[in-house]
Amino acid sequence: GENVEQHPSTLSVQEGDSAVIKCTYSDSASNYFPWYKQELGKRPQLIIDIRSNVGEKKDQRIAVTLNKTAKHFSLHITETQPEDSAVYFCAALGNQFYFGTGTSLTVIP
Amino acid sequence: DTGVSQDPRHKITKRGQNVTFRCDPISEHNRLYWYRQTLGQGPEFLTYFQNEAQLEKSRLLSDRFSAERPKGSFSTLEIQRTEQGDSAMYLCASSMGVQETQYFGPGTRLLVL
Repeated sequence: GENVEQHPSTLSVQEGDSAVIKCTYSDSASNYFPWYKQELGKRPQLIIDIRSNVGEKKDQRIAVTLNKTAKHFSLHITETQPEDSAVYFCAALGNQFYFGTGTSLTVIP
Repeated sequence: DTGVSQDPRHKITKRGQNVTFRCDPISEHNRLYWYRQTLGQGPEFLTYFQNEAQLEKSRLLSDRFSAERPKGSFSTLEIQRTEQGDSAMYLCASSMGVQETQYFGPGTRLLVL
């Protein structure tokens, strides 16, 4: 079954609005949670990550929150720009390596 | 370029043929991972190495898949007797160690006719 569930699968926002992508995981041994951005035809690129001893991390317009008790974590992008349009993947890594199914984000100018 | 590299970038083969892909990790990284990605899906973990030791291979898709990292540097992924369902992007990634960022290569896109 799915070890990482990611929602929504598609997301459209107006430029300047915020975007939120949520993931849940089931493997309690997972302790590292990166987020990757993948543009069409290109490799996944890390945009932010969080480890299990931290509840929140922010880097400019991007933030990630982690609730280890509930086994869910979220990506927040504020003041979205057209160049943020891409597919975003969450991952839960520990003894195993699970990626979400991706969220296709479209930022409408 | 000091990033992860993969060769070839594209491979077209006929069903039943064997194919081998190569991955060169970032030089100081001791962990190397192989993933498969199909259209519209996230990377699916296949196997990984710490130095030359293959630490997990139960997720390899079948016994037609095998991977090696003989000297703890580059790695190869071989698919024997390819099937049309093997068509996908095969991604390699490397990291410094546990709980460290995995850096992905550009992938090898396989098409089995």
